[in-house]
Amino acid sequence: GEDVEQSLFLSVREGDSSVINCTYTDSSSTYLYWYKQEPGAGLQLLTYIFSNMDMKQDQRLTVLLNKKDKHLSLRIADTQTGDSAIYFCAESGSGTGRRALTFGSGTRLQVQP
Amino acid sequence: NAGVMQNPRHLVRRRGQEARLRCSPMKGHSHVYWYRQLPEEGLKFMVYLQKENIIDESGMPKERFSAEFPKEGPSILRIQQVVRGDSAAYFCASSPPSSGRNEQFFGPGTRLTVL
Repeated sequence: GEDVEQSLFLSVREGDSSVINCTYTDSSSTYLYWYKQEPGAGLQLLTYIFSNMDMKQDQRLTVLLNKKDKHLSLRIADTQTGDSAIYFCAESGSGTGRRALTFGSGTRLQVQP
Repeated sequence: NAGVMQNPRHLVRRRGQEARLRCSPMKGHSHVYWYRQLPEEGLKFMVYLQKENIIDESGMPKERFSAEFPKEGPSILRIQQVVRGDSAAYFCASSPPSSGRNEQFFGPGTRLTVL
């Protein structure tokens, strides 16, 4: 079945850039997503990228997609302490429309003041 | 527009009891997904429902677990005869009617503890 992998932990200093990486196995994935989970809370959809794009920028967030290597990254510019959370990469399989998402196990981002 | 609502937020059950978890999707959403998150892990898909229909239950354990989404009222995830291994956070998500991007919006979760 599909698999999504992420590194477990990342620590950065406030004001630096953070880069969170993700690899996936389903080469037919149409959409890939980044979610943020703060302690004790649900998941907040941060951004998504369509598989025919290689980059998407949204304010401080930049998503890069290398479809050949099945590698996705999320860059957070000027990281703030409020960005401390767990970040999940997810993919939706092939085609459009509704279906289950497959999640990675999450990267815990710790921002040092 | 209220987000996805789940209740209770925390639920404690003893082994052998039943757990009922409720999810009200966002207004205008008629598609609901349930996911389970074990400690220190990502979310695992359980079931996808439309009003009065189960669309995909490939992630549901074969026994003790059931889900419904009636015409009126919230979606219910029911776990019978709970065991300690059922302790987890259960998240519900909903998606809008036209969702080519498969965007799913999550509730705050129900944290189930089985003693």
